[in-house]
Amino acid sequence: DQQVKQNSPSLSVQEGRISILNCDYTNSMFDYFLWYKKYPAEGPTFLISISSIKDKNEDGRFTVFLNKSAKHLSLHIVPSQPGDSAVYFCAASEYNTDKLIFGTGTRLQVFP
Amino acid sequence: EPEVTQTPSHQVTQMGQEVILRCVPISNHLYFYWYRQILGQKVEFLVSFYNNEISEKSEIFDDQFSVERPDGSNFTLKIRSTKLEDSAMYFCASSGDRGTGNTIYFGEGSWLTVV
Repeated sequence: DQQVKQNSPSLSVQEGRISILNCDYTNSMFDYFLWYKKYPAEGPTFLISISSIKDKNEDGRFTVFLNKSAKHLSLHIVPSQPGDSAVYFCAASEYNTDKLIFGTGTRLQVFP
Repeated sequence: EPEVTQTPSHQVTQMGQEVILRCVPISNHLYFYWYRQILGQKVEFLVSFYNNEISEKSEIFDDQFSVERPDGSNFTLKIRSTKLEDSAMYFCASSGDRGTGNTIYFGEGSWLTVV
C-alpha cells in the first residue's frame, strides 16, 4: 500500500537555507494533508496541514504547497535551523474517515 | 500545552503473553486512535474509537487486538496473545473531531518488544 510516497529518504541542508520536502500521493479521494515531525523514540508532532480546497498554507517558517493535478505536496522550511533536524512525515486522509495514511518519511539534517 | 500520555514507555514480553498499553488522551477530545510503527517502516493506522465503540479499523487490527475506554480518562490497547511481529512502537492519538480538517495529536509511544 503505497498511497503516500516520500521518495527522498534523506535531505541535508545548510542552516539558513530553504528545506524542501516532497510527498506524492495516488489516491484522488484524499482531501486533507498533514505534515508531522518526529524525533527518535517520540511520537509524531503536528506541524502544518492543508485542505484540498487550498493550494498553499503558511505558518511561520513552514509553508505547505498542494498541487492536486500532480497529486503532489511539498513542505518548505525557511530559514532552516539545526533544531529542524528530524524525520518528516506527510500524511493524508479521505473525507469523513478516521485514518491517516502516512508516507515513509524523509530524514532532514540541518547543518551549521 | 495539553498532550497525549502513554504508559509504559517500553515493555518486553514473551510471545503468547497478553499486553495492555495505556493512554490518556487530551481531556476534551472525543476521538481516539492507535497507530503503530514497526522498526524501519511507516506509521500505520490500527483503529479509531468514538462514543465507546470502534468507528474504523485496519486489516492489521484482527481478533487478537481490542480497545477499551474503561473510565473517563484512559484508553487502552490490549494484545491478547503477542507474536514476534507485534514488536513495534505503538502510538496513541486523539482529536477533537473527526474527518477532514481535524488535527490528530500523538503521544510519545510505547515500545513493545516481543521475545
